Amino acid sequence: EADIYQTPRYLVIGTGKKITLECSQTMGHDKMYWYQQDPGMELHLIHYSYGVNSTEKGDLSSESTVSRIRTEHFPLTLESARPSHTSQYLCASSGSTSGKETQYFGPGTRLLVL
Amino acid sequence: QQPVQSPQAVILREGEDAVINCSSSKALYSVHWYRQKHGEAPIFLMILLKGGEQKGHDKISASFNEKKQQSSLYLTASQLSYSGTYFCGPKRGGADGLTFGKGTHLIIQP
Repeated sequence: EADIYQTPRYLVIGTGKKITLECSQTMGHDKMYWYQQDPGMELHLIHYSYGVNSTEKGDLSSESTVSRIRTEHFPLTLESARPSHTSQYLCASSGSTSGKETQYFGPGTRLLVL
Repeated sequence: QQPVQSPQAVILREGEDAVINCSSSKALYSVHWYRQKHGEAPIFLMILLKGGEQKGHDKISASFNEKKQQSSLYLTASQLSYSGTYFCGPKRGGADGLTFGKGTHLIIQP
């Protein structure tokens, strides 16, 4: 059972608001990731981190930003939410054992921007 | 670049077999396979590393041909619980995240 948590699970917010999606894991994993997924569609990597103070942009350009101040915490922030940001956001983490890195996903945050 | 999965969708009767293919235009370090049920987070199935590796779990197995930059997932004698969307996630380097394919929607009917 993976110990990775996301809050909130659902968020409905108006255009222009600043929001932060929380993600935390208790597995001590160095690597963490944010994926964006529209209903029934593929997952797109938008951010990842190798460890504390490390953040990288993923394959899909995103207006969101991330920070990694603590190993267990990888929040994602949208400074000004827009309807185009409506999607599901999945956080994941992975730890390396003998070169095999399994990504464990959190339950996701479903965001609706009105 | 995003890997290409085929087929896009498949409907089977319980007990039938299925093969899901995943190919990449770039050299691969490893391939991850995940299954996602509607409204849930993806669940890890297996990871294959270089060297023509094959793995299996219960009646689900996979192969990885690094020269062809392809991986295939084999579902034998499918069960109703196998329904969901299957994603392959090739990894090009050791540290970056996964670039998932568009997914293959699998529906198992009784």
